[in-house]
Amino acid sequence: GENVEQHPSTLSVQEGDSAVIKCTYSDSASNYFPWYKQELGKGPQLIIDIRSNVGEKKDQRIAVTLNKTAKHFSLHITETQPEDSAVYFCAASKRRWNTDKLIFGTGTRLQVFP
Amino acid sequence: EAQVTQNPRYLITVTGKKLTVTCSQNMNHEYMSWYRQDPGLGLRQIYYSMNVEVTDKGDVPEGYKVSRKEKRNFPLILESPSPNQTSLYFCASSLQDLYNEQFFGPGTRLTVL
Repeated sequence: GENVEQHPSTLSVQEGDSAVIKCTYSDSASNYFPWYKQELGKGPQLIIDIRSNVGEKKDQRIAVTLNKTAKHFSLHITETQPEDSAVYFCAASKRRWNTDKLIFGTGTRLQVFP
Repeated sequence: EAQVTQNPRYLITVTGKKLTVTCSQNMNHEYMSWYRQDPGLGLRQIYYSMNVEVTDKGDVPEGYKVSRKEKRNFPLILESPSPNQTSLYFCASSLQDLYNEQFFGPGTRLTVL
């Protein structure tokens, strides 16, 4: 099965509210966890990432938390705005046969209503 | 402007007709990668390249070929496309490896009839 599970698949919030997207991973050796935002008709764009030696990272309204023991990480968006509406993907690094790869989650469609 | 370009953006073809999707980056990046995006499956890596003449399989390489003869270009080749290769394809590049930010192209929507 998929090694990175992402929930929820869709999320609707009112402008100004917070949004939280959660991901779990299976490989305890994973050490890099980026989050990408994909707007309609465009390629994904990195918005924040975290490495396994850090528990939390913030960048203005966006934060990512990592719980290595539970093997899950979350994206938090505060004070959401309509322009935050997009599909968000989490990813985790995974070592396979002596090479590192990124495994992506299945995506969360976030809708922010004015 | 720093960017990753892909061509064509849209392509409709028939089963078995060889095609190439080009990818070019102007950032002097060493790492380049191809992904396919399908509903409910997220992004899955097809092939990647750590540098010129160095390529390796991703998670879903069957039915695809790549080459990296120049640092800036990383074409994706479908020798004999089949309907199950209908998908949205993205090329991406990063400075050195997957631990750096990956810059994605605008995508190529491929339909194989």
